[in-house]
Amino acid sequence: KQEVTQIPAALSVPEGENLVLNCSFTDSAIYNLQWFRQDPGKGLTSLLLIQSSQREQTSGRLNASLDKSSGRSTLYIAASQPGDSATYLCAVRRGIAGKSTFGDGTTLTVKP
Amino acid sequence: DVKVTQSSRYLVKRTGEKVFLECVQDMDHENMFWYRQDPGLGLRLIYFSYDVKMKEKGDIPEGYSVSREKKERFSLILESASTNQTSMYLCASTPGGNNQPQHFGDGTRLSIL
Repeated sequence: KQEVTQIPAALSVPEGENLVLNCSFTDSAIYNLQWFRQDPGKGLTSLLLIQSSQREQTSGRLNASLDKSSGRSTLYIAASQPGDSATYLCAVRRGIAGKSTFGDGTTLTVKP
Repeated sequence: DVKVTQSSRYLVKRTGEKVFLECVQDMDHENMFWYRQDPGLGLRLIYFSYDVKMKEKGDIPEGYSVSREKKERFSLILESASTNQTSMYLCASTPGGNNQPQHFGDGTRLSIL
């Protein structure tokens, strides 16, 4: 059974700092890994999707990497802003039907 | 942009009632999912559907059923609501194929009294 772990559970940084969020998974037989952002009381917003054959994806200040052999993914946020404050979740997906296993998330607070 | 719309943001129902949660997507996606999200337990898959009239159980299907009569609509049904079904319910959709992102609705905060 796939297990997904995100450490730390919470992170607080000053504005402008570069930071890395971690996601670990136990079964490397994945099709893709997706990073989401969730604001309080809201649904999930897709940030980046990395296919199993890819090593990284970039969107603006965000860069996600994938190392299947070690079962790890990182989300790098450059020059953090208060508006980046949210919970960040990773999800590992396998199979045509697209079932995903989610981590519990890292709650990020960026202080002005 | 993909739009996944859940019919209610907040819903309050009583124990024993039959409850319907509706989800509609506007991008002709094949796959649709229902999750619930609880503090300390994360997101857990209740049911999913990969085609009209098709459904598969997720990790926690007990006490729930689903209906998908049209491609764009996926309904979650609580047959007889209980207090332990108080939760945030999230609907998601994705096109067919393995390497497409999931898109989520804004969620329904359901309280069972």
